[in-house]
Amino acid sequence: NAGVTQTPKFQVLKTGQSMTLQCAQDMNHEYMSWYRQDPGMGLRLIHYSVGAGITDQGEVPNGYNVSRSTTEDFPLRLLSAAPSQTSVYFCASSYGQFGAGEQFFGPGTRLTVL
Amino acid sequence: AQSVTQLDSQVPVFEEAPVELRCNYSSSVSVYLFWYVQYPNQGLQLLLKYLSGSTLVKSINGFEAEFNKSQTSFHLRKPSVHISDTAEYFCAVRGNDMRFGAGTRLTVKP
Repeated sequence: NAGVTQTPKFQVLKTGQSMTLQCAQDMNHEYMSWYRQDPGMGLRLIHYSVGAGITDQGEVPNGYNVSRSTTEDFPLRLLSAAPSQTSVYFCASSYGQFGAGEQFFGPGTRLTVL
Repeated sequence: AQSVTQLDSQVPVFEEAPVELRCNYSSSVSVYLFWYVQYPNQGLQLLLKYLSGSTLVKSINGFEAEFNKSQTSFHLRKPSVHISDTAEYFCAVRGNDMRFGAGTRLTVKP
């Protein structure tokens, strides 16, 4: 099993550009989440999904969109990138919601917005 | 919503010394509690978790944490640390959603 994979590993954008961060898992997990990690702030939940076709907002959803058309994939879209979105983004998946079992994290995408 | 406070941003210790990383939380609902570890340039890995039952939970590599409901704490301890324990440690609380603390950077010195 590959676990949770994220692409790209690094990305540089200009202010106003859009892009999609990809996340895929091969563990047949129902629950998937996106977090951003900023120095001194830990991880903050952006959006999450409890199954295909169902998504909801987390703590910091503004400026991001998600969709879940399949169990395996959970892409995160930045509609119009801003410097405040410079961060490391992690995708996670789990059997139970937020890891009543265990959350498995991807390796992260480091995004810089100029 | 719940919140998590990790009381120390950095903890330097010498090898083979004991260590405690402190975590306090607040929540109006029942919670599950977690400690995750992050090694440089990697994602987070689950270290241990409290869901219910015994308030003392242990990991396979010698860490343990105790859920204290009256003090709303979930401190992480290890009686003797190794160089390889150098990493960032995150306390997390699942109530209505998932909240992480700001992290504690543990540095083990020889």
